Amino acid sequence: KQEVTQIPAALSVPEGENLVLNCSFTDSAIYNLQWFRQDPGKGLTSLLLIQSSQREQTSGRLNASLDKSSGRSTLYIAASQPGDSATYLCAVGWTGTASKLTFGTGTRLQVTL
Amino acid sequence: NAGVTQTPKFQVLKTGQSMTLQCAQDMNHEYMSWYRQDPGMGLRLIHYSVGAGITDQGEVPNGYNVSRSTTEDFPLRLLSAAPSQTSVYFCASSQDRGPVYGYTFGSGTRLTVV
Repeated sequence: KQEVTQIPAALSVPEGENLVLNCSFTDSAIYNLQWFRQDPGKGLTSLLLIQSSQREQTSGRLNASLDKSSGRSTLYIAASQPGDSATYLCAVGWTGTASKLTFGTGTRLQVTL
Repeated sequence: NAGVTQTPKFQVLKTGQSMTLQCAQDMNHEYMSWYRQDPGMGLRLIHYSVGAGITDQGEVPNGYNVSRSTTEDFPLRLLSAAPSQTSVYFCASSQDRGPVYGYTFGSGTRLTVV
């Protein structure tokens, strides 16, 4: 079964720290991988989309990497801020069924002052 | 603002009642889908559509119906609500079924069935 796992489920860091969020997937035949941010009681905001042919994508303080052979993606957040506090979700579109996303359960991040 | 609009934002139903969750997008996206989000389980695909007149089932389709008569709208119907359908429902759309441009999500409908 194609599954996506995010560990840890929750993370607390002091402001200013660089941090890494992890996403692992069970099948290397992925089409793309997307990272989302979700604030409490809100919808999903797309952060970064990585195609299977790409190794990484960057947007501001965010950098997402993809390693298909090891079944892993990481989201790197530089110089964290309290406003980064949210739940971060990764979602995989698999080859042949790219229309259907499989989501991880997310990592809840808290950045403290 | 362009995007995906979901209504209502909150709804309480009694067991056995039916209702329709609305989803509309103004980006001329071909692909639209419905997900439900439950604690500890992540988002799961209910139904999706690759264009007007075409729909298909996702991972958890039982108890839900969809139709796609226009490019803009993709309503989700609960036929006879059950407590197990208490969840947060998200609608998403994509320009190209997702591979290149990714997905845009609505703000969600929080449904409680009592």
